[in-house]
Amino acid sequence: AQKVTQAQTEISVVEKEDVTLDCVYETRDTTYYLFWYKQPPSGELVFLIRRNSFDEQNEISGRYSWNFQKSTSSFNFTITASQVVDSAVYFCALNGGTSYGKLTFGQGTILTVHP
Amino acid sequence: GAVVSQHPSWVICKSGTSVKIECRSLDFQATTMFWYRQFPKQSLMLMATSNEGSKATYEQGVEKDKFLINHASLTLSTLTVTSAHPEDSSFYICSALRGLGAYEQYFGPGTRLTVT
Repeated sequence: AQKVTQAQTEISVVEKEDVTLDCVYETRDTTYYLFWYKQPPSGELVFLIRRNSFDEQNEISGRYSWNFQKSTSSFNFTITASQVVDSAVYFCALNGGTSYGKLTFGQGTILTVHP
Repeated sequence: GAVVSQHPSWVICKSGTSVKIECRSLDFQATTMFWYRQFPKQSLMLMATSNEGSKATYEQGVEKDKFLINHASLTLSTLTVTSAHPEDSSFYICSALRGLGAYEQYFGPGTRLTVT
């Protein structure tokens, strides 16, 4: 069975603060993919990043960065200098190598950035 | 990038009626599509896997006679909610796999269903 846990249900920050969204996963597959998606109020999922289990390099894309640590089964997401437009629900998701495309989503973290 | 559309984007129907939701991959062929359901302030839950030319595979707890899935072509999957009830009101999202593996998975914009 696969499981994704996002411990933070809601986070509220003031603009320009840094914020980290936590994600912990469980899988028995040795090959798997991890994802982060953003869901703005419109509802459409926006793909942010994909990481496979063999690539533990951290990644930075503009104000976004991701920290993948296999040893702790975590894939955390940090937004630096947050902006109001970052307000959304963020989902971490997992696809195990034997799941053929099926995604298991975490509960989601509601991020609110206040001006 | 690859585009997946859903139609309608929102629908209101009366209790007891059926409603069909379409999911199309516009610029690629998808042998596999997925249907997810999302209740307000909750996460996405996989309902079923739709395979072109074969029967859909439903997740545990999803009534296959209530949620009919048809994947008649490589670009179209449909979800029909039969005899809808207010508790079926939800946000339905489809995704399509391009090629093998989840890294080539594209989501539709979702369909908001309200049953009155």
